[in-house]
Amino acid sequence: AQSVTQLGSHVSVSEGALVLLRCNYSSSVPPYLFWYVQYPNQGLQLLLKYTTGATLVKGINGFEAEFKKSETSFHLTKPSAHMSDAAEYFCAVSRSSSNTGKLIFGQGTTLQVKP
Amino acid sequence: DVKVTQSSRYLVKRTGEKVFLECVQDMDHENMFWYRQDPGLGLRLIYFSYDVKMKEKGDIPEGYSVSREKKERFSLILESASTNQTSMYLCASSFLTGVSGNTIYFGEGSWLTVV
Repeated sequence: AQSVTQLGSHVSVSEGALVLLRCNYSSSVPPYLFWYVQYPNQGLQLLLKYTTGATLVKGINGFEAEFKKSETSFHLTKPSAHMSDAAEYFCAVSRSSSNTGKLIFGQGTTLQVKP
Repeated sequence: DVKVTQSSRYLVKRTGEKVFLECVQDMDHENMFWYRQDPGLGLRLIYFSYDVKMKEKGDIPEGYSVSREKKERFSLILESASTNQTSMYLCASSFLTGVSGNTIYFGEGSWLTVV
């Protein structure tokens, strides 16, 4: 069965610093992997996704993630944090390759950006 | 832009009441979902529908039912609301075919408090 673990429920960085949000997954099938962001009082918005092909995936707002099969990881990074990046971030894995609508989500990581 | 609209953002209901949460999408998506979001638990799938009148249980269906009479509308029903159903409810939709890793689009959420 698939599962997702996000390491660290809260991450705090200074503005301009590197953002690293960690995600490890387990999957019995080739995974489709996603990062979503949720701003306060809003729904979730897709940041980026990995399906097949290039393992380094670029998303919106300067975020990127690298799929590392050997480490079963899909960590999210951004070189320089902005105050507007403060939000909750969710990593997710597709339950099956036939219908990726059904996702399994991690517990979420709240990113705080300090001035 | 894809729009997933949840009719009520904030609701307060009494224990034992029947509660309806409504969701409408405007992109002709086959898949629709109801998730529940709780702090530290991420998003958990309640029910899923891949076609009109079709439904599948998710991970936590107990105490909930759903209705999909039209393709664009997916309703979540709490037959007899209980305090442990106080939560944020998120509706989502996507296309059916999962070969390329379809994006799920989320509504803004409905905050339900049961007193």
